[in-house]
Amino acid sequence: SQQGEEDPQALSIQEGENATMNCSYKTSINNLQWYRQNSGRGLVHLILIRSNEREKHSGRLRVTLDTSKKSSSLLITASRAADTASYFCATLQGAQKLVFGQGTRLTINP
Amino acid sequence: EAGVVQSPRYKIIEKKQPVAFWCNPISGHNTLYWYLQNLGQGPELLIRYENEEAVDDSQLPKDRFSAERLKGVDSTLKIQPAELGDSAVYLCASSSPDRSPYNEQFFGPGTRLTVL
Repeated sequence: SQQGEEDPQALSIQEGENATMNCSYKTSINNLQWYRQNSGRGLVHLILIRSNEREKHSGRLRVTLDTSKKSSSLLITASRAADTASYFCATLQGAQKLVFGQGTRLTINP
Repeated sequence: EAGVVQSPRYKIIEKKQPVAFWCNPISGHNTLYWYLQNLGQGPELLIRYENEEAVDDSQLPKDRFSAERLKGVDSTLKIQPAELGDSAVYLCASSSPDRSPYNEQFFGPGTRLTVL
């Protein structure tokens, strides 16, 4: 069973625009992580935010976490064609169990 | 450092046949995971190993799935017999609490299984 839901399920934008994806989850968490999966390739870890953090930045990525609403968002600024991929949020439950959402399929149009 | 290696990358079999997947984790990573990823979905954990011990196999369908990690390094996941519904991507991942206390997991490219 999957933990959370991601919104939207699919997103198509023009190159250079910002992309925002949202993730909701159901149980208490230790941290929340975002992963990217390109077509035919494995998942790559992008960024992690701990349960006591509210916002985190990494390059063109900005992640927010609202534990009261059990939700997170991932913002990709100045999108590029290479950002085309599926993005998954994953919550760490307990010490080791990572539970993934269903993912957002992002398409960047040239 | 080398990433997680999986083989084969693709496998097509007839239903009721057995199939096995192999994973070599990142050197020094004592935790190894097998995930199942259906089309359009996120990965779902099948089994987690700490060294050679399976510490979480609650989601592994034990009637037909088995896994082993005999020396605490490489791992194999087996399905016998395969069913049509087993068609999916099987992902292997590894992590090391010593190197990443927040459990960042490193994934292999996966094995895409098609059962005909």
